[in-house]
Amino acid sequence: ELKVEQNPLFLSMQEGKNYTIYCNYSTTSDRLYWYRQDPGKSLESLFVLLSNGAVKQEGRLMASLDTKARLSTLHITAAVHDLSATYFCAVDPTDSNYQLIWGAGTKLIIKP
Amino acid sequence: DADVTQTPRNRITKTGKRIMLECSQTKGHDRMYWYRQDPGLGLRLIYYSFDVKDINKGEISDGYSVSRQAQAKFSLSLESAIPNQTALYFCATSDFDGVETQYFGPGTRLLVL
Repeated sequence: ELKVEQNPLFLSMQEGKNYTIYCNYSTTSDRLYWYRQDPGKSLESLFVLLSNGAVKQEGRLMASLDTKARLSTLHITAAVHDLSATYFCAVDPTDSNYQLIWGAGTKLIIKP
Repeated sequence: DADVTQTPRNRITKTGKRIMLECSQTKGHDRMYWYRQDPGLGLRLIYYSFDVKDINKGEISDGYSVSRQAQAKFSLSLESAIPNQTALYFCATSDFDGVETQYFGPGTRLLVL
């Protein structure tokens, strides 16, 4: 069974702190996507990671992919309140005909 | 104007009723998707279409049907709604160019009583 597991599922943290969200998956893939969803809103693409060792950064967010470990991380540096959202990872399995398999999401609350 | 639109945005219906959710896109993408989102479960794929003549079942297609009326339009129907179909429904599109980035509509919040 194809599984994508995120942890933690809920994270409450103070502004200024660093933290990492983990995305583990159970199938062969070298394509992984991170999305952001604000409360009551739709999903927005954040990062596309297309190969082993890929690293993408935007502002205080940095995503990386280790295809051998089947692991992606989303690192938050010096968190600010505006980053409060739910973050999803999605895996594009090698033999899936490009159906994405989604994690359950990590709800991130950053307190001022 | 939004590239991917969904109507209605909110809907309350009763068990056994037939309802249709509509999705339109102006991105010119061939691929369209319907997902449902339930708290704690992420997104689950209901149906997807890679072009007007190509429609495929996703992970949870039972109780749903779709119609791809044109490249820009993809509708989802619940033939006889039941309470456990209460969820947030998203339409998405993609233009596969080696990368499967999906672009989402605003969602339809459906409550089945």
